[in-house]
This record gives sequence, C-alpha cells and structure tokens, in this order.
Amino acid sequence: DAKTTQPPSMDCAEGRAANLPCNHSTISGNEYVYWYRQIHSQGPQYIIHGLKNNETNEMASLIITEDRKSSTLILPHATLRDTAVYYCIVRTQSSYKYIFGTGTRLKVLA
Amino acid sequence: AAGVIQSPRHLIKEKRETATLKCYPIPRHDTVYWYQQGPGQDPQFLISFYEKMQSDKGSIPDRFSAQQFSDYHSELNMSSLELGDSALYFCASSWGGQNQPQHFGDGTRLSIL
Repeated sequence: DAKTTQPPSMDCAEGRAANLPCNHSTISGNEYVYWYRQIHSQGPQYIIHGLKNNETNEMASLIITEDRKSSTLILPHATLRDTAVYYCIVRTQSSYKYIFGTGTRLKVLA
Repeated sequence: AAGVIQSPRHLIKEKRETATLKCYPIPRHDTVYWYQQGPGQDPQFLISFYEKMQSDKGSIPDRFSAQQFSDYHSELNMSSLELGDSALYFCASSWGGQNQPQHFGDGTRLSIL
C-alpha cells in the first residue's frame, strides 16, 4: 500500500486559504488519493478524491502534481469549524481498506 | 441526505462480556467497512464486506467476528472483551466499486470496565 506523509500540524488564519500538503511518492498509476477530516471524535468526513486531474467541490480543491507523487488540499477560506485532523489516504486497487496515517492537525486561528 | 447509522452510540461492558455493534449503510451502498480507533490513535481497519461476502481483513482479533446481512446492514460481534478493546468503532459504506469514497458513521464508543 502506498504510504503517505503529512506534516503533523499547521495553523491557518481564519478567512485565509489553508493549503495542506501530502507526499505519496510510491503511488501507483491506478491508485486514487482521498482526503478526509476528523473533528474531535466524530467519524471521518469525506472531503474529496482524485486520480490525476485537479478536482474541486463545494468543500475544497485537490491539486495533484503531474508526477502524482504529491498533492495539496486547499480550503479556500478557512473557518474556525475547519479545525480538525486532515488525513490523506492512498488506497490500492487490490484492497478495499483505508490505511490512515497520522494526518495533519489543522488549527484555524481567529 | 441519508448517512451511515451506527448503534448503539455508547456501550459500557465489563471484561469477558460480549458486545454487538450494528451498522446500517447508506441506501444502495453494497460495501461495509469496520474501523477501530483507540484513544489518541488513528483509525485502524478491521474488516470489510462486499455484497455480503468478506472482501478484506485487517487487524481484527480472533475474538471478533462480523457479517453483512441480506439487507446490507452489518454487525460486529465482540467476545471475551478486554480493557484494550475500549475504543471508538466506526462503520463506513460505499457503492459501485473500490474507487468510490467511503462514508463514515458517527461511531460507537465502547468502554470496558
């Protein structure tokens, strides 16, 4: 399974864009990148996923580098409610499971 | 929109007792996953089912078993409970293939006394 590396923590000012990086240098050509967040002890919340093209939805944008070895999740206008642990996950085609890393603890500051 | 429903939300048991956790997936979702999250830890995959057949298995103890029923709901059965089983247990569901994202429920908090 492809391994992901994320910074353990980040701060972001409220109203500014939050850019959360993820390194997945061992990703294979048919493996998708998924982003989730977990607020306190709630269930992980799906944010966005992609294969090679950049993706955008109502929550965030996902930028995947051309070589697919890294990606960035962008929250365009962070709010206090975006304070959470953000997980970047790569799932292999041969497996149904997610392997959660340690994620990035994002703190949005007023 | 309908979400994954887990019951009970909280459960308190004593050592050596048994527990059953239930998961009702999002309608039309055919795959169910179970994860365990210990205090201060990240979620760990336990087991998954696709169309009522076990599809993948992780670090699930032999004391635990699970199944998916004809209506696609799933149950996680836990026996001979130990203090270390105290954790949040999340169920997730997805549909239509492995690339579809999993959607998680709010979990069951199991406390072993």
